[in-house]
Amino acid sequence: AQTIHQWPVAEIKAVGSPLSLGCTIKGKSSPNLYWYWQATGGTLQQLFYSITVGQVESVVQLNLSASRPKDDQFILSTEKLLLSHSGFYLCAWSGDWGGEQYFGPGTRLTVL
Amino acid sequence: GDSVTQTEGLVTLTKGLPVMLNCTYQTTYSPFLFWYVQHLNEAPKLLLKSSTDNKRTEHQGFYATLHKSSSSFHLQKSSVQLSDSALYFCALSAGGNNKLTFGQGTVLSVIP
Repeated sequence: AQTIHQWPVAEIKAVGSPLSLGCTIKGKSSPNLYWYWQATGGTLQQLFYSITVGQVESVVQLNLSASRPKDDQFILSTEKLLLSHSGFYLCAWSGDWGGEQYFGPGTRLTVL
Repeated sequence: GDSVTQTEGLVTLTKGLPVMLNCTYQTTYSPFLFWYVQHLNEAPKLLLKSSTDNKRTEHQGFYATLHKSSSSFHLQKSSVQLSDSALYFCALSAGGNNKLTFGQGTVLSVIP
């Protein structure tokens, strides 16, 4: 069975500070990986997706970047946080192009 | 571009009553439709999926039928329980790309 982990579980950061969020999936070879952002009580906004190591596509610009250094790892980062970055960050995977996606437990980010 | 519309922001029901949450979509491609459920402070979980026209799909007492003629995929349950209180998202995948388009979400609140 596939498992997806995200770290950290929660972060409280200052405006202007850097950020790195991670996601690891086990039990699935060459997954498609995704990053989403969700405001409290809001909808899910896809940020990035990756279909293979080293290849990341941006869906929406939010002063964030993403990288896929390994087949099972997806990293979301920024050098300078904004207040608007606060929210719930979710990593997801799918096995098929365009198929259903399965979400990790998420990281709750508060920017002060 | 693709879009998903969920008309109800909040639905409040007494336990034991039936529910229908509306979902309509727009795409020029052959659609895959999904319902996700998100409980408070948790990640979204896949509830139902379908790409077959006029075929009912069921899971955990919930059911939905994709109707391509009306571009709809409404979620129903015959008798809601307190544990069904959550945020429900309808989502669309179409065109074979890696984008999952989410609706705005509907909060279902079940009261005793």
